[in-house]
Amino acid sequence: SAVISQKPSRDICQRGTSLTIQCQVDSQVTMMFWYRQQPGQSLTLIATANQGSEATYESGFVIDKFPISRPNLTFSTLTVSNMSPEDSSIYLCSVSSSPWGYTFGSGTRLTVV
Amino acid sequence: QKEVEQNSGPLSVPEGAIASLNCTYSDRGSQSFFWYRQYSGKSPELIMSIYSNGDKEDGRFTAQLNKASQYVSLLIRDSQPSDSATYLCAVNIINNNDMRFGAGTRLTVKP
Repeated sequence: SAVISQKPSRDICQRGTSLTIQCQVDSQVTMMFWYRQQPGQSLTLIATANQGSEATYESGFVIDKFPISRPNLTFSTLTVSNMSPEDSSIYLCSVSSSPWGYTFGSGTRLTVV
Repeated sequence: QKEVEQNSGPLSVPEGAIASLNCTYSDRGSQSFFWYRQYSGKSPELIMSIYSNGDKEDGRFTAQLNKASQYVSLLIRDSQPSDSATYLCAVNIINNNDMRFGAGTRLTVKP
């Protein structure tokens, strides 16, 4: 299965600022997925990132708040913009490792103060 | 109705016992089914996948799928304290590009 390098692993950010999370995959993949996991909760899909096209956002998530870039088949970034304490969460990128389900990055633990 | 439902637990079993984790899903078009284990502070890791009705065994883990009942389960035999984690059930709707996760069941195996 694919190996994903995600960074930063954690950050503490000031309210109103933005943080960009990066994911690098060791192989070319068509789709990359960005999830949020709030404390004690399961995974919520934010958006699906396709190379060469705009990301597809799930209900409740908008591009202005969570802009995504996908410049090539091995790399993607998620930006959390104009952060508030409610954005404190773990953010995970993942790729499909068909037929073996998804492989996840190590996650970014974000705290907004 | 949630797409993928699990009992949140916590489920507590003694070391050496069988832990039974259950999951139901709502979309009859679901094609593939997965169990992920997530240790506290870590990202989910895939431990089992199952695609057809019946049982699939891998070491101490057995996944069971019943599509008619829309039910997936995971059995962990000879449970060890190292099995203590949250177990996420996931269901793939279409071609591995629409994975839906349950809320997870927290399992504690007591020595």
